[in-house]
Amino acid sequence: EVQLVESGGGLVQPGGSLRLSCAASGFTFSTYWMSWVRQAPGKGLEWLANIKQDGSEKYYVDSVKGRFTISRDNAYNSLYLQMNSLRAEDTAVYYCARLSDYANFDYWGQGTLVTVSS
Amino acid sequence: QSALTQPASVSGSPGQSITISCTGTSSDVGGYNYVSWYQQHPGKAPKLMIYEVSNRPSGVSDRFSGSKSGNTASLTISGLQAEDEADYYCSSYTSSSTYVVFGGGTKLTVL
Repeated sequence: EVQLVESGGGLVQPGGSLRLSCAASGFTFSTYWMSWVRQAPGKGLEWLANIKQDGSEKYYVDSVKGRFTISRDNAYNSLYLQMNSLRAEDTAVYYCARLSDYANFDYWGQGTLVTVSS
Repeated sequence: QSALTQPASVSGSPGQSITISCTGTSSDVGGYNYVSWYQQHPGKAPKLMIYEVSNRPSGVSDRFSGSKSGNTASLTISGLQAEDEADYYCSSYTSSSTYVVFGGGTKLTVL
């Protein structure tokens, strides 16, 4: 059974940093692109970033370029999102998702809440 | 404002059929057959219901079907059941640097 479990969310002050983790199991992690998607409270979904199987290619939405970094460690079946210079508008539930083919997220974690507030 | 346009809400009675539309542009919905639909119950993660316009993942009921015409994709749910009440989001691959765009979501109420 495919499982994705996020962790690392919490309350952080504006301008602060946070690192999210996603532990994957139930599939061969190293053979899939992976993604982060977020959802602000009461709002819709927003794609944030993708990373290739070997980490050699990374893509970001413009709103987080230069502030967020996606990475992975295939030895530990783990996906990460380093978030710097956080803003109030980054407050959201952050999901890791497995990317299957073109822009098709076939499995999602349960999400981790990030709150940016003073 | 979301890149893809969905109605904010739709409703139907048990046993009826409903259709949710998702309108984009030739740079996303109209240009590629990479439209997906997700179901999200309150407090839960999204679940993939339809991919590549009309394909159902294993385990998804055949009451769910997808289609596309021009720049508009549609999700149809037939034989509505109480457990179908949820938010539904469409998404599409896009040729822009955004890679994938989502709709704003549609709240389905089963009366």
